[in-house]
Amino acid sequence: DAKTTQPNSMESNEEEPVHLPCNHSTISGTDYIHWYRQLPSQGPEYVIHGLTSNVNNRMASLAIAEDRKSSTLILHRATLRDAAVYYCILMAPYGRFGAGTRLTVKP
Amino acid sequence: NAGVTQTPKFRVLKTGQSMTLLCAQDMNHEYMYWYRQDPGMGLRLIHYSVGEGTTAKGEVPDGYNVSRLKKQNFLLGLESAAPSQTSVYFCASSYEGWEPQHFGDGTRLSIL
Repeated sequence: DAKTTQPNSMESNEEEPVHLPCNHSTISGTDYIHWYRQLPSQGPEYVIHGLTSNVNNRMASLAIAEDRKSSTLILHRATLRDAAVYYCILMAPYGRFGAGTRLTVKP
Repeated sequence: NAGVTQTPKFRVLKTGQSMTLLCAQDMNHEYMYWYRQDPGMGLRLIHYSVGEGTTAKGEVPDGYNVSRLKKQNFLLGLESAAPSQTSVYFCASSYEGWEPQHFGDGTRLSIL
């Protein structure tokens, strides 16, 4: 299973957009890119996923590079409730969660 | 619609004791997963199942056994608990391997 690389931590101001990067240079053609987030003392929560094309849902947008070796999770307007650890995972049919990116949102 | 339900939520065991963690899902999902999460770390896959009657090893399977006798249930067993197995255990399920995983609230297990 392929590995992903994410920054350990990021900070954002409330109501500003946040771009969370993920590198996955060894991705294979059948790997889906998944993003989850985990709030303290809770189980992970699905955010978004995609294969090749950019994706949008009510929570976020996922931008996938043309060569699929990197992706970016976009939170359009960060709120205090978005403070969490965000995981980028390649699923086929399971993937490694890694340490994720801890997002801090400042009021 | 309960989603993914894990029982128990908390448990304290003594070294050498055995126990079974139960995961139940009501979404008719084919795939089910067991993860463990140690403090400050990401989740690590223990075992997973791609359908009723099937199981497969994940990243850290040693010391654990699993069974999927019914599609809706995935059991995780510890035959002889060790302090190194103190962790939070999460169960998840999905329709297909590439579909979103739905997680339970976790089981906090302490082994003394």
